[in-house]
Amino acid sequence: EAGVAQSPRYKIIEKRQSVAFWCNPISGHATLYWYQQILGQGPKLLIQFQNNGVVDDSQLPKDRFSAERLKGVDSTLKIQPAKLEDSAVYLCASSSLAGGWGDTQYFGPGTRLTVL
Amino acid sequence: GNSVTQMEGPVTLSEEAFLTINCTYTATGYPSLFWYVQYPGEGLQLLLKATKADDKGSNKGFEATYRKETTSFHLEKGSVQVSDSAVYFCALSDRSSNTGKLIFGQGTTLQVKP
Repeated sequence: EAGVAQSPRYKIIEKRQSVAFWCNPISGHATLYWYQQILGQGPKLLIQFQNNGVVDDSQLPKDRFSAERLKGVDSTLKIQPAKLEDSAVYLCASSSLAGGWGDTQYFGPGTRLTVL
Repeated sequence: GNSVTQMEGPVTLSEEAFLTINCTYTATGYPSLFWYVQYPGEGLQLLLKATKADDKGSNKGFEATYRKETTSFHLEKGSVQVSDSAVYFCALSDRSSNTGKLIFGQGTTLQVKP
């Protein structure tokens, strides 16, 4: 079974530029998560999708971040405009069930973003 | 609110030493508890989990027991190997939110020397 795919693996941009990350979850997984991991910290949830609907986006900085999951499969996370503090690893995860409290989440390799 | 606290790292051990990484949590509901591991250059992988009090999760020689009375989920291994060198994250998912959202600790780096 193929794992969670993410691209690109690395991205370097200047502040105020825009950037987009792509995620393809494990086939058949209904729930998709985007986490932000700042160096030296644990991942923090940005947004959770159930199929193509948003379940939780309470910690997504909506003035600059946006995400979509068209057709309930692939997802894109966008930052526009980027700030220095957005430098982090962006992790995508998926789970097979309803995204409940006991489900196992499977993580992709992440995209490392550096904002100069 | 919900939170997870892990012991500070890095933890440096010799091969075959006993490992303990402490993890305590605060939760408003009744959480599931997880240990994830991140090997160098790789993504997070689930190591083990427990979904109710007194459950013991185990995998690859690692164990952790869900202790509700002490709100802890300490990770242990009897004999570590160089290949166990990685960053270990304790996390919880709160049943009351029913979203599956994981709340992570800050991570503990383990270095095992031959």
